[in-house]
Amino acid sequence: GAGVSQTPSNKVTEKGKYVELRCDPISGHTALYWYRQSLGQGPEFLIYFQGTGAADDSGLPNDRFFAVRPEGSVSTLKIQRTERGDSAVYLCASRPTDTDTQYFGPGTRLTVL
Amino acid sequence: DQQVKQNSPSLSVQEGRISILNCDYTNSMFDYFLWYKKYPAEGPTFLISISSIKDKNEDGRFTVFLNKSAKHLSLHIVPSQPGDSAVYFCAGAGSARQLTFGSGTQLTVLP
Repeated sequence: GAGVSQTPSNKVTEKGKYVELRCDPISGHTALYWYRQSLGQGPEFLIYFQGTGAADDSGLPNDRFFAVRPEGSVSTLKIQRTERGDSAVYLCASRPTDTDTQYFGPGTRLTVL
Repeated sequence: DQQVKQNSPSLSVQEGRISILNCDYTNSMFDYFLWYKKYPAEGPTFLISISSIKDKNEDGRFTVFLNKSAKHLSLHIVPSQPGDSAVYFCAGAGSARQLTFGSGTQLTVLP
């Protein structure tokens, strides 16, 4: 079946601009996670959705970052007033209710110039 | 404070031999551990996992060992194949299953 998909695969923007990154989870997966991976590091947790609600947003670095999942499926990560330090690969993962395994998408590479 | 550490950034192994990747953690609240494999320009791919109530889990060529008293886990791959060359991440899972990852180990299997 179809895996987790993320769009765009690459995004180049200028400092100060607003960006939206989209995640389509595996159908039927109720849990959705966003992570950020910088060069040479492992992915770092940003936010977790259970259904439509953000169950844990403790990993968001500051209030420029926001994410939504209005219908409990697709999620959008929104970054306002982008900074060069936001450049990273943003990964989305989904998980079915009855397992502990998360399945990752290919990521969106964000470059802030 | 790194809660999950992979102290070896790289490892080279001859094809057919055993690869052993190590991981240490500090957070006693982790009750589930996972290993992921990552190729360039792709997302992490799930490999194998282990619950904290077990000390070993095996799946084909892959075996994960957990030593809770030492807060240490390891991934054994035997026999290693050139297609196993990738970056391997270990991760600990918290109560909401958000993952805390190590920094990864680049495994190179030489033909």
